This record gives sequence, structure tokens and C-alpha cells, in this order.
Amino acid sequence: KNQVEQSPQSLIILEGKNCTLQCNYTVSPFSNLRWYKQDTGRGPVSLTIMTFSENTKSNGRYTATLDADTKQSSLHITASQLSDSASYICVVSDRGSTLGRLYFGRGTQLTVWP
Amino acid sequence: NAGVTQTPKFQVLKTGQSMTLQCAQDMNHEYMSWYRQDPGMGLRLIHYSVGAGITDQGEVPNGYNVSRSTTEDFPLRLLSAAPSQTSVYFCASRTGGRNTIYFGEGSWLTVV
Repeated sequence: KNQVEQSPQSLIILEGKNCTLQCNYTVSPFSNLRWYKQDTGRGPVSLTIMTFSENTKSNGRYTATLDADTKQSSLHITASQLSDSASYICVVSDRGSTLGRLYFGRGTQLTVWP
Repeated sequence: NAGVTQTPKFQVLKTGQSMTLQCAQDMNHEYMSWYRQDPGMGLRLIHYSVGAGITDQGEVPNGYNVSRSTTEDFPLRLLSAAPSQTSVYFCASRTGGRNTIYFGEGSWLTVV
């Protein structure tokens, strides 16, 4: 069964600290993996997209890694800011159709305290 | 370029009422979809469309209808609202492959 599991479910860190969020998936055949940020009361916004051949992708203070062999991804946030408080969602796409079906994780709720 | 626009933002319905959530995109994307997001759960696909005149069911389609008469618009209809349909609804659009998925800002629906 194709699944996307994220950990931890929630995380609290102090402003300025780094953190790493995890995403494990069983989706096959794999096409790409995306990380999205969802602020409270808003729609998800894209952070990174990685395909099978890419193992690192950065977007400012956000760095995503992908290990397609172990089917694991991580999102590392450097020097956290209060505005990083949000839910971070891992989305994996398969290659079963032209556009690919999307599998969503339940998200990690990150809270950054001053 | 407005991206994906959803209306209304908030709606309260009585059980049994019907309504339509509107979704429009101005990026000429062929693929549009509707999701619902419930507490503690990931986004779940309700219906999707791969182009004008083509729609198909997602994983939770019961109680919802869609149509796609134009590339830009993809309305979601609740036929007879039930309390179980209380949720946040997101419309999304994209092209194929590894391109970005664009989400609307969400529609908060409460059925009493």
C-alpha cells in the first residue's frame, strides 16, 4: 500500500535553532517528492521538488534531502524564525499515470518560540 | 496572475442544503483537483479533472459532484450537505510531471 509517513507529528523549537523533519514513503513506482509549507488558515505553498536523481534541494533556509534507496526524505530548517511556525507536508507522486497520483503525509506541526 | 482562487472562504450550511464551492485558475493548467483536509489527516482527494470535459473520482467522492466546462473553472458541488462534510476544502491545479502544484487558500465549510 502506497503511504507517506511523517515524523515527528509536532515539534517545538526556539527561534534561531535548527531542526529536521522526516518523511518515509512506500510509494512505487516513485516519480518525485515535494515539501510544502502550510501556514494556519492558508493553502499549502511549495518549498522543494525532487526527482529520483536529485538527493539535495535548497530553498533559502530550507534544505530537503532524498534517499530514493531507503525511501526517506528530510527537510532541514536552518536558523529558524517565528514565521517558520507552520505545518510541513511531504507529498510523493507516483509514475502510474501521465500526471502521477499524489500521496500526502499528515504533516509535521512546527512551532517556533521566541 | 492570481493563481488559484477559491470562493467562498467560509460557509455554514444546514444539513440537507446544497451549495457549490467555486475554483478558478488563470495558469492554463490542465489538471485541477479538490481535496478536503480534516484534523490529524493528510489531504484527501475528492475529485479531479485532467482537462475540460474530463473528470474522475478520487478517494472520497461520495456526496460531491464536479464538472469541468472550461480549462479555468472547476466547481465542487455538495448535493445534500451532511455534518461529516464539515471540513476545509482546497482546490489545486498543476501541469504534469515535476511541476509545482498550486493550491487555493481554502474554503472552511461547517454543516450543522
